[in-house]
Amino acid sequence: DTGVSQDPRHKITKRGQNVTFRCDPISEHNRLYWYRQTLGQGPEFLTYFQNEAQLEKSRLLSDRFSAERPKGSFSTLEIQRTEQGDSAMYLCASSQAGGLDGTQYFGPGTRLLVL
Amino acid sequence: GQSLEQPSEVTAVEGAIVQINCTYQTSGFYGLSWYQQHDGGAPTFLSYNALDGLEETGRFSSFLSRSDSYGYLLLQELQMKDSASYFCAVLGGYQKVTFGTGTKLQVIP
Repeated sequence: DTGVSQDPRHKITKRGQNVTFRCDPISEHNRLYWYRQTLGQGPEFLTYFQNEAQLEKSRLLSDRFSAERPKGSFSTLEIQRTEQGDSAMYLCASSQAGGLDGTQYFGPGTRLLVL
Repeated sequence: GQSLEQPSEVTAVEGAIVQINCTYQTSGFYGLSWYQQHDGGAPTFLSYNALDGLEETGRFSSFLSRSDSYGYLLLQELQMKDSASYFCAVLGGYQKVTFGTGTKLQVIP
């Protein structure tokens, strides 16, 4: 078990470009979460999957953000037409349904900088 | 909606005990978690309380009072490596987790 992995670790892009991030959860975990974190703040919930179903999506998530988990394993988060305000750390976490529900295992994050 | 309040910063001496409080307002509640995050790192799970009372894990303990919508994290025998940010997080309806803004702990010699 190698833990949660995310790719890329860093991304610099120009305003208006599209970016896509990938998250590979712990293999036996069927729950997957995406968060955004800015400096000095806690992780902010974006969306949540159980298996391939997207069960919850933050109202803060604009239409420019979309997430998928097509086979219930890895997930992608896409941001279209990036804006400078999208600059943040994007964190992925996974957990196992039926386990200690408060436990989430976080990946190292993808740090996005929009110029 | 959910809101959580924690002190923004705490300073404590190496070897001492420190308590980080968390109060929450929530429309749905299943439990309270605590996470540690070092600068530049990812949050790591410390503890979870679903029921009232104290949970102990080594030097760290966590307490929950559901009737008071209150919890705390207790760190004993502080070490320099404990300097980090600590977040409380509520597990609410639909498995949504809401994090507080974090408490930055500085351990001094």
